[in-house]
Amino acid sequence: AQSVTQLGSHVSVSEGALVLLRCNYSSSVPPYLFWYVQYPNQGLQLLLKYTSAATLVKGINGFEAEFKKSETSFHLTKPSAHMSDAAEYFCAVSDVAGANSKLTFGKGITLSVRP
Amino acid sequence: KAGVTQTPRYLIKTRGQQVTLSCSPISGHRSVSWYQQTPGQGLQFLFEYFSETQRNKGNFPGRFSGRQFSNSRSEMNVSTLELGDSALYLCASSYVAEPYNEQFFGPGTRLTVL
Repeated sequence: AQSVTQLGSHVSVSEGALVLLRCNYSSSVPPYLFWYVQYPNQGLQLLLKYTSAATLVKGINGFEAEFKKSETSFHLTKPSAHMSDAAEYFCAVSDVAGANSKLTFGKGITLSVRP
Repeated sequence: KAGVTQTPRYLIKTRGQQVTLSCSPISGHRSVSWYQQTPGQGLQFLFEYFSETQRNKGNFPGRFSGRQFSNSRSEMNVSTLELGDSALYLCASSYVAEPYNEQFFGPGTRLTVL
């Protein structure tokens, strides 16, 4: 079974600082990987996804993530944090062999941005 | 294009009652998935429907059921509600039921069971 591990439940950075949110996956084959963001009282919005093309994936709002098969990781980064980035971030994996869209999510990381 | 809509947004029920939640996908999307979000368990997959057929089901008791109509709208039903069913229920739609597809999420229905 596939799984996703997001270490830590809360990350706090200063405005303008680097954002690094970690995600490690467990899968017998390289899966499809996604990062979603959730703002308070809202649903999830896709930031970016990896579907076996380029290993460095650029997403919306200046975020990017790099797929590293040797480390089974898909960490999310942003060079300079903005106050509006404060939200909860979820890493998710889907099964490449399945004819469905089922996502398995990590526990999520709450990002706080200090002025 | 209108996004995924879910009704109602908030719901309060008592133990033992049943509840029906509704989801209207983005126009043209034929796949609808449901997720339960709780502080303790996080986001968990409930089930997915494509062209009125259940394609996949998560590890939830039979009290949780769903269906999809010919216009792709979907409903989920929870019977004999328990306190632990209190959660945010999210619906997501995608064009097809393929693992590489982006899923578009609705704002959710927050269910409180008293």
